[in-house]
Amino acid sequence: ELKVEQNPLFLSMQEGKNYTIYCNYSTTSDRLYWYRQDPGKSLESLFVLLSNGAVKQEGRLMASLDTKARLSTLHITAAVHDLSATYFCAVSTQPFDRGSTLGRLYFGRGTQLTVWP
Amino acid sequence: NAGVTQTPKFRILKIGQSMTLQCTQDMNHNYMYWYRQDPGMGLKLIYYSVGAGITDKGEVPNGYNVSRSTTEDFPLRLELAAPSQTSVYFCASSLQVGGLYNEQFFGPGTRLTVL
Repeated sequence: ELKVEQNPLFLSMQEGKNYTIYCNYSTTSDRLYWYRQDPGKSLESLFVLLSNGAVKQEGRLMASLDTKARLSTLHITAAVHDLSATYFCAVSTQPFDRGSTLGRLYFGRGTQLTVWP
Repeated sequence: NAGVTQTPKFRILKIGQSMTLQCTQDMNHNYMYWYRQDPGMGLKLIYYSVGAGITDKGEVPNGYNVSRSTTEDFPLRLELAAPSQTSVYFCASSLQVGGLYNEQFFGPGTRLTVL
């Protein structure tokens, strides 16, 4: 079974600071997803990384993927309070059965980010 | 588009009771999923469906059943509720896009407590 580990699980940071969240996974995959979840809310897709070396940026968040190291990072630049949420990475596997070409997602435990003034 | 909708939002069950969690999507997605999220944990797949009439087990299917009679609806049934099924349940859907990737869209969740 594919295992996905995120660290840290809890992150408290001051506004304006930079930090990186790490996502390691246990088997070969070249599809990695980052989601955001606000308290009591559903998951919102942030990034889909499709190949080795992929880098995507949206505002103060930048995600990258190194398939050789089985590692993805989510870098936060100059954090603001609005970024406070839980961030999940998920990795997809080889395809489902029944002729599907898409794989199921395995989720990490999430990183709970709190940004304080 | 409403996206993925789920009902109810909250529910308290007694041990041994049954209920159905409803999920509907209006995006014409062919894939649908049910996950549970326990406190401090990531999502675990319960059941999934790759199209109407086709369902299969995920990682934690015991105690649950599903059906998929239409593209839009994917209800999850709990037959004999147990305290271990206390969790937040998310329904999700995705569209096969040439097999490139599986970006899933999630519903708002159902918070279930079994006492």
